[in-house]
Amino acid sequence: KNEVEQSPQNLTAQEGEFITINCSYSVGISALHWLQQHPGGGIVSLFMLSSGKKKHGRLIATINIQEKHSSLHITASHPRDSAVYICAVRTSGSRLTFGEGTQLTVNP
Amino acid sequence: EAGVAQSPRYKIIEKRQSVAFWCNPISGHATLYWYQQILGQGPKLLIQFQNNGVVDDSQLPKDRFSAERLKGVDSTLKIQPAKLEDSAVYLCASSLVFRVTEAFFGQGTRLTVV
Repeated sequence: KNEVEQSPQNLTAQEGEFITINCSYSVGISALHWLQQHPGGGIVSLFMLSSGKKKHGRLIATINIQEKHSSLHITASHPRDSAVYICAVRTSGSRLTFGEGTQLTVNP
Repeated sequence: EAGVAQSPRYKIIEKRQSVAFWCNPISGHATLYWYQQILGQGPKLLIQFQNNGVVDDSQLPKDRFSAERLKGVDSTLKIQPAKLEDSAVYLCASSLVFRVTEAFFGQGTRLTVV
């Protein structure tokens, strides 16, 4: 069993829909990251969380430390949001452990 | 702020050949990581440097992979000899060490072994 599990693996939505991607982890962490990866591109860090909730534009990330669970929400989704979204947790030191990613496709 | 620079962006080699990737981290970042990302999977840590010392190389296939960061700045990752299953994107990232912060990633090098 992976230390970081994401769901769903693939997600297809219509433009304008509200999207939720989930991340569960089984280890103690000091922080959790949500990352975005476009095809052929590098990885862009969206959020770093250690507690509570953060919002940036149409993106919202939440974390529940007790339940070892985080969610990434996208409101009013747009085709340009199509990408792979990766959850990563920071464990001992500065090591990051990654989930396998969620492929999001938003159709116009 | 300049980002993490990697080169080349793409490389195609035949199996059993050698290949090297280069990474220039963000200025002042003491921690440097090399990740391997196979298509459809999340990145897997190959090696982590703190300045020019190795912190974690437990997942590095040491029979064929090597990495160095001689002056604590730039780093190179080498594969010798390459196998078909080494086809992946190789990502370099860097972070400040003394505070919890985001790791900054380069664009990656896409390696295809044929």
